[in-house]
Amino acid sequence: DIQMTQSPSTLSASVGDRVTITCRASQSISSWLAWYQQKPGKAPKLLIYKASSLESGVPSRFSGSGSGTEFTLTISRLQPDDFATFYCHQYNTDFPTFGQGTKVEIK
Amino acid sequence: EVQLLESGGGLVQPGGSLRLSCAASGFTFSSYAMSWVRQAPGKGLEWVSAISGSGGSTYYADSVKGRFTISRDNSKNTLYLQMNSLRAEDTAVYYCAKAAEYMTTVTTFDYWGQGTLVTVSS
Repeated sequence: DIQMTQSPSTLSASVGDRVTITCRASQSISSWLAWYQQKPGKAPKLLIYKASSLESGVPSRFSGSGSGTEFTLTISRLQPDDFATFYCHQYNTDFPTFGQGTKVEIK
Repeated sequence: EVQLLESGGGLVQPGGSLRLSCAASGFTFSSYAMSWVRQAPGKGLEWVSAISGSGGSTYYADSVKGRFTISRDNSKNTLYLQMNSLRAEDTAVYYCAKAAEYMTTVTTFDYWGQGTLVTVSS
């Protein structure tokens, strides 16, 4: 299985901050990477697919980059609604895997 | 509007069985692969199983292979997960998720259900 490692596990930030989360794959996954946002008690919400494509309806302050084994999710100016847990997800094969999650907390 | 509604969760003893269902609407169900993804309490997301749109291809995580069976009834727009030989470590919220791309299992998930809780405990 392809292992996905996110960093950091927890991030404390303030409204208006620029936030970056990193995801590393144990082997190359080309650009087959997605990012999700999950709030407590809710299902995950797709933000980014194919490493850098913004899902319809997702605010443009979210962006993704990377290819191969290293990827980043950036929130340009953190908003109150953005405090949540974020997961990366590789779908390079029929056996997808997720990162362990990054919780973005209020500083 | 795409909707996915899971049901069938509950409390079951170790070694027991449970069948989850996911009723889908708002899209051409038979054209899209579907998956089950679970989340243990306070933990991250774990992909469990996937099935192609026709139902002809199925895939399982090693942690459930041989115990869980995914299936679908395209005439009823419903996805299923038959879970046998349940263990305490299977305790989780189980989500059904729709493939984002047409006619492939190698894709991300664009719609998720609200989840159904399965608790395995004596």
